[in-house]
Amino acid sequence: NAGVTQTPKFRILKIGQSMTLQCAQDMNHNYMYWYRQDPGMGLKLIYYSVGAGITDKGEVPNGYNVSRSTTEDFPLRLELAAPSQTSVYFCASSYPISGFPGELFFGEGSRLTVL
Amino acid sequence: AQSVTQLGSHVSVSEGALVLLRCNYSSSVPPYLFWYVQYPNQGLQLLLKYTSAATLVKGINGFEAEFKKSETSFHLTKPSAHMSDAAEYFCAVGPSSNTGKLIFGQGTTLQVKP
Repeated sequence: NAGVTQTPKFRILKIGQSMTLQCAQDMNHNYMYWYRQDPGMGLKLIYYSVGAGITDKGEVPNGYNVSRSTTEDFPLRLELAAPSQTSVYFCASSYPISGFPGELFFGEGSRLTVL
Repeated sequence: AQSVTQLGSHVSVSEGALVLLRCNYSSSVPPYLFWYVQYPNQGLQLLLKYTSAATLVKGINGFEAEFKKSETSFHLTKPSAHMSDAAEYFCAVGPSSNTGKLIFGQGTTLQVKP
């Protein structure tokens, strides 16, 4: 059981370039999330999705876009990369049940550097 | 709105000593609370969760946490630290299940000295 798989694990971008971080889960979870982690700042929610075709902004959505065409995949698009987007990005999924926000299952992260 | 504050970005203990990592939350609705652990270069793993069933919650690797509503706290403890406990720990608070979103604290790095 692979869980949540993120690719690539590492990437260096030049300012102004664009790229897509891929995220796939094989647990049939409806809910998926993208967080970014910066030192001393914890995790900040970028975007989330409660099901295929449904996405919404989190705390820090500027400079990012997402899509959710299938239950399994939730790619994160960075347009016009900026140094402020240098971070570690985590994808997560969950399956809330009966009013309880279920456990988040995390991928191993994608470390992005923008120079 | 909900928020989480972890007191102390770095905690250092000796092997065998008590581990205490502090977490305070703010929530206008009954909270769901979580502790996650992150080992170097890995994703986050769930240590334990509070879902209102019991105020003292036991998790993996000998960790436990107590929900104290009067103090709005959910501190993480372990009676005896092990070298393998060295990691970053995150407290998180959850809203209702219609979004499943969690709000994370800033994290506390636990150092265990031999």
